[in-house]
Order: sequence, then structure tokens, then C-alpha cells
Amino acid sequence: GESVGLHLPTLSVQEGDNSIINCAYSNSASDYFIWYKQESGKGPQFIIDIRSNMDKRQGQRVTVLLNKTVKHLSLQIAATQPGDSAVYFCAETHQGAQKLVFGQGTRLTINP
Amino acid sequence: DTAVSQTPKYLVTQMGNDKSIKCEQNLGHDTMYWYKQDSKKFLKIMFSYNNKELIINETVPNRFSPKSPDKAHLNLHINSLELGDSAVYFCASSQETSGRYEQYFGPGTRLTVT
Repeated sequence: GESVGLHLPTLSVQEGDNSIINCAYSNSASDYFIWYKQESGKGPQFIIDIRSNMDKRQGQRVTVLLNKTVKHLSLQIAATQPGDSAVYFCAETHQGAQKLVFGQGTRLTINP
Repeated sequence: DTAVSQTPKYLVTQMGNDKSIKCEQNLGHDTMYWYKQDSKKFLKIMFSYNNKELIINETVPNRFSPKSPDKAHLNLHINSLELGDSAVYFCASSQETSGRYEQYFGPGTRLTVT
């Protein structure tokens, strides 16, 4: 069956350091991936996405890496700030699936 | 401007009661969703509607009945509430564009069944 999982449920980093959040998926048909950020008491918010014809995509302070060979996705956040503290989810889908499948979530805590 | 809105934000009720949660999106999207997020933050899709038609029903008890009066609204009615229904319920909407399937989420409704 489909599954999207995360290696680490919690991650603490020092403010200003870089953080990496990892995600594994098992559906080889997946061709579109999204990272969401969920702050306390709020709904998930889109961060960045990537299609399977790419292996890297950069945004503002964030980079998503996709390794289709090992079905692995990562989110890198550069120069972390207190506002980056949140739960981060990866999600995957493919054309025709009509839904996103979400991973477990990783809680990122930025220490001052 | 609020893109996806839900009411109420909090809902506390007793077992056996019937309650509804409302969702509206002003993004002009064709597809809307209901998700359930449990205490461990796991997000699970419940329903999906496209242009007022049900396209996904993910093994949800039939006590849960979504209704879409128009493509901007997707409400969720829950009958005979049970303790296990306590969770945060999120509404979302999307419009596929050039192979992108980004979903926009509402702020959530925290349902507590006592």
C-alpha cells in the first residue's frame, strides 16, 4: 500500500544552524511531492513542491531534494529562525490519484 | 482575505450528539477536502469533492456525511458523535494547475467529544 514516512519525529537545532528533515515514501508511482509547515493552532501551509522530473528545487531559505532511486525526500532549511519552529509534513501524489498522502510529521524546534 | 475558512474553530459536545462543521473557500477551486488530524498529528484524508461531486470516501463511518451545496462550500455533518471522533478537522481546497496539486488548508476545527 501507499505510505509516506519520516525518519525523525522530533528535531532540535540551534538558531542560525541549518536543519534537514527527511521523508521516505514507498509508492513508486508518486511523481509530485510537497512540504507543508504546520504551526501550533493553524492549518498546514505550503512551503515548496517538486515534481519527479527534478531532483532539487530551491526556495527562500528552503531546498527540497528528491532521490527517486531510494524513494527519499528531504527539506533543508538554512539559517533557521525561531519562526521555523513547527511540524513539517511531506506529502506525495501522482496524476490521477486525486489525493495527497501525508507523512507522519516532524516537529522542528529552534533553540535560541 | 481568508482563502479557506472553517466554522466553528472549537466545538465541544457530548457523545451521541449531532454536529456540523462548515467550510468555505474563495479561491475558485474545483476540489475540496476534509481531513482528520489525530493527537499524534497524523493527517488523514476523509472526503474529496470535485465540483460538488464526491470523488473520494476513505473508509469513513457513515455517521460522517459531507455535503457540498456549491463548489465553494463543503460541510461536514457528524451523527451520533463518539469519543474517538475527537480530533482536529481540516478543510482544504485545490485546483490542479500544470501538474501541481497544492492544497490550501483552513485553520481547522478542534472537536472535543465528552
